[in-house]
Amino acid sequence: AQSVTQLDSQVPVFEEAPVELRCNYSSSVSVYLFWYVQYPNQGLQLLLKYLSGSTLVKGINGFEAEFNKSQTSFHLRKPSVHISDTAEYFCAVSALTGGGNKLTFGTGTQLKVEL
Amino acid sequence: GAVVSQHPSRVICKSGTSVKIECRSLDFQATTMFWYRQFPKQSLMLMATSNEGSKATYEQGVEKDKFLINHASLTLSTLTVTSAHPEDSSFYICSAGTRISYNEQFFGPGTRLTVL
Repeated sequence: AQSVTQLDSQVPVFEEAPVELRCNYSSSVSVYLFWYVQYPNQGLQLLLKYLSGSTLVKGINGFEAEFNKSQTSFHLRKPSVHISDTAEYFCAVSALTGGGNKLTFGTGTQLKVEL
Repeated sequence: GAVVSQHPSRVICKSGTSVKIECRSLDFQATTMFWYRQFPKQSLMLMATSNEGSKATYEQGVEKDKFLINHASLTLSTLTVTSAHPEDSSFYICSAGTRISYNEQFFGPGTRLTVL
């Protein structure tokens, strides 16, 4: 089984400042890693994913994440945030095999960008 | 590409009635569909997984007789909340996956159910 920990439930940040949203996972097998964003009363939109290869993954809206196998982390970063980035961010993992495509989500981090 | 729709987006019903929510993959064939429930300011809770043409697999603690899931085709899955009660009020989200999507799921916009 897999588990995901997002330690920060809320992250306030000023506009144009950098931000990092933390994600750690636990799994006995290799995993795929995802970051999703959810705006109020909407479904989830994929920001980026790590499947294999380069550990630095670039996604939409200027976000990027780095897979660190030794630290079992997949932190999300953006060098300069905008007001429009205010949303809920979910980290998720899926087992490469045997998981039946299931995603295991973290509890989410609310990013609040202030002027 | 990979668009998933849900209908309705919002529904209000009286206690005791049944409500059906549709989830469609618009431009791809979804071999697997997932149904989630999300309470305010919380994460997504997987309710069940369904594969086209077979019975859904429910997560522990989810009443299969209350939350009926049908995945009749590769583009349509339905969730029926039977005899709804106020505690069933929630945000329901579906997602769809394919065999070649590396476990990625494509999410619908969600359905807000309010039971009076």
